[in-house]
Amino acid sequence: AQSVTQLGSHVSVSEGALVLLRCNYSSSVPPYLFWYVQYPNQGLQLLLKYTSAATLVKGINGFEAEFKKSETSFHLTKPSAHMSDAAEYFCAVTRRDSNYQLIWGAGTKLIIKP
Amino acid sequence: DAGVTQSPTHLIKTRGQHVTLRCSPISGHKSVSWYQQVLGQGPQFIFQYYEKEERGRGNFPDRFSARQFPNYSSELNVNALLLGDSALYLCASSLFRSSSTDTQYFGPGTRLTVL
Repeated sequence: AQSVTQLGSHVSVSEGALVLLRCNYSSSVPPYLFWYVQYPNQGLQLLLKYTSAATLVKGINGFEAEFKKSETSFHLTKPSAHMSDAAEYFCAVTRRDSNYQLIWGAGTKLIIKP
Repeated sequence: DAGVTQSPTHLIKTRGQHVTLRCSPISGHKSVSWYQQVLGQGPQFIFQYYEKEERGRGNFPDRFSARQFPNYSSELNVNALLLGDSALYLCASSLFRSSSTDTQYFGPGTRLTVL
């Protein structure tokens, strides 16, 4: 069975500092991996996705993530945090042979300190 | 272009009642998926519909049902509501069925509170 683990329900960084949100997955077959962002009282917006092309994936708003098969990880990073990045971030996985079901992590709330 | 729309935005029901939630996908999108997001957790997959047929079902009881109409809009129905059904219900649409090539676009959700 597939699963997603996001380490840290809350992550706090200073404005301008590096953002690192961790995601580890388990999957018996090569996965597709996603990062979504959810702003307060809004739906989920896709940041980036890995679908077996380049292992370093660039997304919107300056975020990127690297797929590391040996570590079963897909951590999200951004070099310099901005106040507008404050939101909840979700990592999700699906299998290439699945029926389109996304399996989600519990989310990490990113707090930006001025 | 209009994004995914959901109605109502908020809903308060009592235990035992039933509820119908509605979703309109982005124009041209043929696939609609429903998710339940309990406070403090990630979304849980409930259903996927493609071309008006159920293509996937998550681990939810039979009290949950859905359908997709010829215009690709969708309804989620929940019968005999329980307190534990209180959650944000999210609808997502995409062009096709496969998550490997598609992006799912999410609506703002319907906040259901069961008292």
